[in-house]
Amino acid sequence: DAKTTQPPSMDCAEGRAANLPCNHSTISGNEYVYWYRQIHSQGPQYIIHGLKNNETNEMASLIITEDRKSSTLILPHATLRDTAVYYCIVRSSNDYKLSFGAGTTVTVRA
Amino acid sequence: DAGVIQSPRHEVTEMGQEVTLRCKPISGHDYLFWYRQTMMRGLELLIYFNNNVPIDDSGMPEDRFSAKMPNASFSTLKIQPSEPRDSAVYFCASSLARGWGYTFGSGTRLTVV
Repeated sequence: DAKTTQPPSMDCAEGRAANLPCNHSTISGNEYVYWYRQIHSQGPQYIIHGLKNNETNEMASLIITEDRKSSTLILPHATLRDTAVYYCIVRSSNDYKLSFGAGTTVTVRA
Repeated sequence: DAGVIQSPRHEVTEMGQEVTLRCKPISGHDYLFWYRQTMMRGLELLIYFNNNVPIDDSGMPEDRFSAKMPNASFSTLKIQPSEPRDSAVYFCASSLARGWGYTFGSGTRLTVV
């Protein structure tokens, strides 16, 4: 019972912004949107999370639509080191489990 | 902070042998999680602990798998006896509290031959 839908893959040019979409049409009021990424042969890495407001940190920006049914992770200036699988995860504030789907394989090309 | 530390990084063992994977969470983190990753099934949560107590072990595949957390700084995942289908990368992660992100270790790549 998938809570999120992501495209399986996308390419991005080095130095350009990468916009990663995620649909979560059944999200409920107390559920957060989390983004993680997994670079090859490494453990997943936390990127950012949000509830309803847009969020920004040193790694990325998270834009959540007003109805909260979808979101976009923005990597402002993609580098080759950003090549990874990116996971969009919906998680309740009362739930400590993170359930990973298939994610989006992002390939940054020179 | 050294992050979440897992050992060994790689383990090759023969079918039927006992395997023990180790994890040291980040100091002060109250939650510890064990995940398994395979090509076929992706990342699966096996079990998680809160304050050293197992909270949810519904993801543990069989009785051959067991996990312990004897203190706040150490956890083990044991497979006895191991089988070839247990071959996977096993990740440990820890989290500070409600609403915080997880920090994952580098994983243990297990190969059972």
